[in-house]
Amino acid sequence: DAGVIQSPRHEVTEMGQEVTLRCKPISGHNSLFWYRQTMMRGLELLIYFNNNVPIDDSGMPEDRFSAKMPNASFSTLKIQPSEPRDSAVYFCASSRGQGMHNEQFFGPGTRLTVL
Amino acid sequence: DAKTTQPPSMDCAEGRAANLPCNHSTISGNEYVYWYRQIHSQGPQYIIHGLKNNETNEMASLIITEDRKSSTLILPHATLRDTAVYYCIVRSRAGGTSYGKLTFGQGTILTVHP
Repeated sequence: DAGVIQSPRHEVTEMGQEVTLRCKPISGHNSLFWYRQTMMRGLELLIYFNNNVPIDDSGMPEDRFSAKMPNASFSTLKIQPSEPRDSAVYFCASSRGQGMHNEQFFGPGTRLTVL
Repeated sequence: DAKTTQPPSMDCAEGRAANLPCNHSTISGNEYVYWYRQIHSQGPQYIIHGLKNNETNEMASLIITEDRKSSTLILPHATLRDTAVYYCIVRSRAGGTSYGKLTFGQGTILTVHP
């Protein structure tokens, strides 16, 4: 199994530009999570999908952030417009279910730098 | 979510057992103890989880005290590749759903030295 796939692995952009991060979950997993990691705030859950439907987006920082999951094998996290404080590593994770016994498998992350 | 308390850092000699403690004194009856680790520049990796019984898998053992207020993750024979940040997480259901939310704290930086 290829695991969770994220692209790009690194993104450098200028303030004000639109950024799109992509994630392909593990085949057969029906729950998908987007996390952000910074030195100051650690690892934070941004949004969670179950069966392609957003369930909990309480961690999304503000309206500049949006996430979609058009099908079971693809999700995007978009930042528009981007700001320097959005610089972080963004992780996507997937799990077979949303229950307490379902471990989450994380991708390698996208390191975003906004200048 | 119940909070967890972990030491910020620990050292261990290669080949020896690494015992990582975690306090979760406010844990409730239906909350699970999960352990993840994050090796530098990688995504977090699941290690093990448990409710009240001790658990063992190919990676580690999890010892949970009888009152469930603390636990210990044991790596029986630590290697240099086990150097990572180890997160102890109390996983609880998000209000009225079956969704088990993971809330990561600061973790313990484990350094395994030769």
